[in-house]
Amino acid sequence: KAGVTQTPRYLIKTRGQQVTLSCSPISGHRSVSWYQQTPGQGLQFLFEYFSETQRNKGNFPGRFSGRQFSNSRSEMNVSTLELGDSALYLCASSEKNTGELFFGEGSRLTVL
Amino acid sequence: QQQVKQSPQSLIVQKGGISIINCAYENTAFDYFPWYQQFPGKGPALLIAIRPDVSEKKEGRFTISFNKSAKQFSLHIMDSQPGDSATYFCAAIAGGGNKLTFGTGTQLKVEL
Repeated sequence: KAGVTQTPRYLIKTRGQQVTLSCSPISGHRSVSWYQQTPGQGLQFLFEYFSETQRNKGNFPGRFSGRQFSNSRSEMNVSTLELGDSALYLCASSEKNTGELFFGEGSRLTVL
Repeated sequence: QQQVKQSPQSLIVQKGGISIINCAYENTAFDYFPWYQQFPGKGPALLIAIRPDVSEKKEGRFTISFNKSAKQFSLHIMDSQPGDSATYFCAAIAGGGNKLTFGTGTQLKVEL
């Protein structure tokens, strides 16, 4: 099976812009989670989608949003970008509700 | 509020030695404790996991020890190899689902 695929892998934006990141989960996996990884804050949970419904949400402002499509593919959007949004955004998929997550290689966002 | 505390932040071990990474948690609702391994430029990958109803789990050279009363758990890497050099994250989940709370990570270097 192909692994979790995230696009784009790298992107540079300026403050105030918005960005959309895409994630294709492993075939058959219905749960998709998003995490933000930074040197200062580590790995932080953003949100989880299951069967097109947001099941869990982390403590991030409303500028961070996501959605999941009927084919389980997911997107996350960050609006009005701030310098502090520079991070590696990781998508993970799971077949079960067990915490056995399979991560993609991430999308590295730089905000200038 | 950091709910999972991890130490040490970095660790250098000689080849063939034992690497030990410790984690402590506060939330007694946590009921699943996975460890993830991350190489540079890659997403985290599940290494081994344990539930609080057992005190130890071993998979190859990797062992988790779990102390429920102390709310602590640790990862032991026996016969450490240079290929084990990576960042290790402990994590915890409460009540099913896939919302992981991560520790801050330990950067392990195994020297020849």
